[in-house]
Amino acid sequence: AQSVAQPEDQVNVAEGNPLTVKCTYSVSGNPYLFWYVQYPNRGLQFLLKYITGDNLVKGSYGFEAEFNKSQTSFHLKKPSALVSDSALYFCAVRDPYNTDKLIFGTGTRLQVFP
Amino acid sequence: NAGVTQTPKFQVLKTGQSMTLQCAQDMNHNSMYWYRQDPGMGLRLIYYSASEGTTDKGEVPNGYNVSRLNKREFSLRLESAAPSQTSVYFCASSYPGTGGNQPQHFGDGTRLSIL
Repeated sequence: AQSVAQPEDQVNVAEGNPLTVKCTYSVSGNPYLFWYVQYPNRGLQFLLKYITGDNLVKGSYGFEAEFNKSQTSFHLKKPSALVSDSALYFCAVRDPYNTDKLIFGTGTRLQVFP
Repeated sequence: NAGVTQTPKFQVLKTGQSMTLQCAQDMNHNSMYWYRQDPGMGLRLIYYSASEGTTDKGEVPNGYNVSRLNKREFSLRLESAAPSQTSVYFCASSYPGTGGNQPQHFGDGTRLSIL
């Protein structure tokens, strides 16, 4: 079955430190991968995507993600965390059998402490 | 440019009541989606519509119906609400692009409580 896993329910990091939010996937063929962020009482906002090409993808708000095909991972990273980065983060992969659809992970709550 | 607009933002229903959640997008997207978000379960697809005039079941369609009224609007109906349908409902839209390489755009959700 096609799936996305976010192994950490919550990640805590001090402001100014680097952050990593983990995502692994299991899909047939070449994956199309996405990261979204959700702030309280808001919908999901698109951060970045990997379709093909450079394994390091840069996105909004200083976030980047590294695609690793051998480890089937797509971890979200930021060199220096801000308190305002505290939110719920979702990884998603395109369903290879129905390309209109995304398969979402269960989400990781990022808490950045001052 | 409003993006994806959902109404209402909040609603409380009694078991057995019916309700329609409205969604409209102004981005000329072909595809529209309804998800529910429950704690610890991420987003689960209820129904989606790849284009005007077509709808398909997602992962959790039972107890729901949808209507793709036109290219802009996609509504979700609960015919007889049950407490298990208490959730936050999100509508999304996308222009699928080449093989699904475009992101989905989300509304801010409808928070629905069934008593």
